[in-house]
Amino acid sequence: AIRITQSPSSLSASTGDRVTITCRASQGISSYLAWYQQKPGKAPKLLIYAASTLQSGVPSRFSGSGSGTDFTLTISCLQSEDFATYYCQQYYSYPFTFGPGTKVDIK
Amino acid sequence: EVQLVESGGGLVQPGGSLRLSCAASGFTFSSYWMHWVRQAPGKGLVWVSRINSDGSSTSYADSVKGRFTISRDNAKNTLYLQMNSLRAEDTAVYYCARDAGGGCDPWGQGTLVTVSS
Repeated sequence: AIRITQSPSSLSASTGDRVTITCRASQGISSYLAWYQQKPGKAPKLLIYAASTLQSGVPSRFSGSGSGTDFTLTISCLQSEDFATYYCQQYYSYPFTFGPGTKVDIK
Repeated sequence: EVQLVESGGGLVQPGGSLRLSCAASGFTFSSYWMHWVRQAPGKGLVWVSRINSDGSSTSYADSVKGRFTISRDNAKNTLYLQMNSLRAEDTAVYYCARDAGGGCDPWGQGTLVTVSS
């Protein structure tokens, strides 16, 4: 199975900050990577797919990049509603695997 | 509005069985692959299984292979997860999600399965 790592595991930031989360796959997955946002007690929400394509309705302050094994999620100007946990997921091969998550909280 | 609503969770003893359901509405259910994903309390997301649009092809995580069975009834717009030989480590919120062609979207609200004596 493809292993996915994420860093950092958590970070503290202030509204208006630029935040970057990285995701690394144990083998090349082309651009078959998605990013999700999850708030406490809620289901995950798809933010980005194909590594860099913004899901409909997702604010443009979210962006994704990368291919192969290294990927990043960037939030250009953190808003209060962005404090949440973020997961990446590879869908290149089964079993699909998620990263362990990055919790973004208020500094 | 696209909606997925899970049901069937609850408390079950180790070794027991449970069947989860996911009722879909607001889209042509029979045209989409579907997934189950779980999340143990306080932990991360774990992909469990997927099924193709007509139910002829399935995939499973190694941790549930041989114990869980995914299926669907397109006439009833419903996805299922039959879970047998349940273990304490299967305790989690189980989400159903629609395959979006790239990732999963949307997700249901989840149903909690607790395996304990």
